[in-house]
Amino acid sequence: AQSVTQLDSHVSVSEGTPVLLRCNYSSSYSPSLFWYVQHPNKGLQLLLKYTSAATLVKGINGFEAEFKKSETSFHLTKPSAHMSDAAEYFCVVSDPPTTSGTYKYIFGTGTRLKVLA
Amino acid sequence: DTGVSQDPRHKITKRGQNVTFRCDPISEHNRLYWYRQTLGQGPEFLTYFQNEAQLEKSRLLSDRFSAERPKGSFSTLEIQRTEQGDSAMYLCASSLDRSRDRGYGYTFGSGTRLTVV
Repeated sequence: AQSVTQLDSHVSVSEGTPVLLRCNYSSSYSPSLFWYVQHPNKGLQLLLKYTSAATLVKGINGFEAEFKKSETSFHLTKPSAHMSDAAEYFCVVSDPPTTSGTYKYIFGTGTRLKVLA
Repeated sequence: DTGVSQDPRHKITKRGQNVTFRCDPISEHNRLYWYRQTLGQGPEFLTYFQNEAQLEKSRLLSDRFSAERPKGSFSTLEIQRTEQGDSAMYLCASSLDRSRDRGYGYTFGSGTRLTVV
């Protein structure tokens, strides 16, 4: 079965310093991987996605992630944190297609990013 | 149509009461999903519709839960005889079609937060 493990439940960084949010996945097939962000009282917003094309994926708001098959990792990074980046971040792996043809998403437990002034 | 809409945003109900939530997906999206997110966890899949057909249900969806999408547009999720364990954020998402599900990602609504007292 597919699964994702987000290695840190909370991460604190100072504004202007790099961000690293770690995610390891387990998949029995070639996975699709995503990062979503959730601001308080807001819906989930797609940051970026990996779907077996380029292993370094660029997303919105300066975020990027690198798919490393040998390490089964898909860590999210950003060179310089901004106060507005404070939110909950979810790493997601796509399940293989079901008999009905849909891809269910398996979410990690989330990493809460705090940005200090 | 700028996104997925969910109503209400918040619902407080007494244990044993019935509640119904509504989701309006992006109009051209034929797939609609319901997820549940409890405190400190990532969202978990509940059920999925392709047009008006409910094609898959999670084991999380007990007999007290029912979801409909009568005309393949909006969807409702009803919980009968609510229990305190039903307290969660209920998220709706939509996507376009099978070939794009895996790569494009879902579009999520802002969710309905249910509190059962």
